[in-house]
Amino acid sequence: KAGVTQTPRYLIKTRGQQVTLSCSPISGHRSVSWYQQTPGQGLQFLFEYFSETQRNKGNFPGRFSGRQFSNSRSEMNVSTLELGDSALYLCASSFSDSGNTIYFGEGSWLTVV
Amino acid sequence: EDKVVQSPLSLVVHEGDTVTLNCSYEVTNFRSLLWYKQEKKAPTFLFMLTSSGIEKKSGRLSSILDKKELFSILNITATQTGDSAVYLCAVSLFSGGSNYKLTFGKGTLLTVNP
Repeated sequence: KAGVTQTPRYLIKTRGQQVTLSCSPISGHRSVSWYQQTPGQGLQFLFEYFSETQRNKGNFPGRFSGRQFSNSRSEMNVSTLELGDSALYLCASSFSDSGNTIYFGEGSWLTVV
Repeated sequence: EDKVVQSPLSLVVHEGDTVTLNCSYEVTNFRSLLWYKQEKKAPTFLFMLTSSGIEKKSGRLSSILDKKELFSILNITATQTGDSAVYLCAVSLFSGGSNYKLTFGKGTLLTVNP
């Protein structure tokens, strides 16, 4: 069974641009969550989607948004990029909303210059 | 504010040593505690703990949860160089009905020298 797949794996953007990251969960998993990982802050929760609905959101500005499609694939978007948005963005999927183990993708490394 | 604190932040040992990693938490609506191992890629799942006092074991790794004292430990016996990684502790919370999210600690960087 394929794991969580994230694309692109690496990207470089300029301040002020916007970026869209994609995540395909493990087949059958309906919950997708996103995390930002930086050396200083560690792993921080961005948001979680289940059945195309955002159910939970972390403490990030409105520039960070996401969505989930009917096939459970998810995208996150960051608009008006800032240098501080440089990070590893991790997507994780889980079978349901019942606290099952969540599995992470390899992540998308974003560098903002 | 929900908080997960791991200690030590870093640790250097020799192959064959036994290590104990600590994770304490102060959260509301605790659901479960999870341990992950992260090398230079995605965190990989190790254990999920929901009940106090029941040890989970996988090979040389084991973990236990104390819900009264609000902490968990991860033990690694007979360490090998391949155990070198960041070990992450995360707490899953109930957040609005059956929803959940993970709050992570900053991790413990374990280096195992040959």
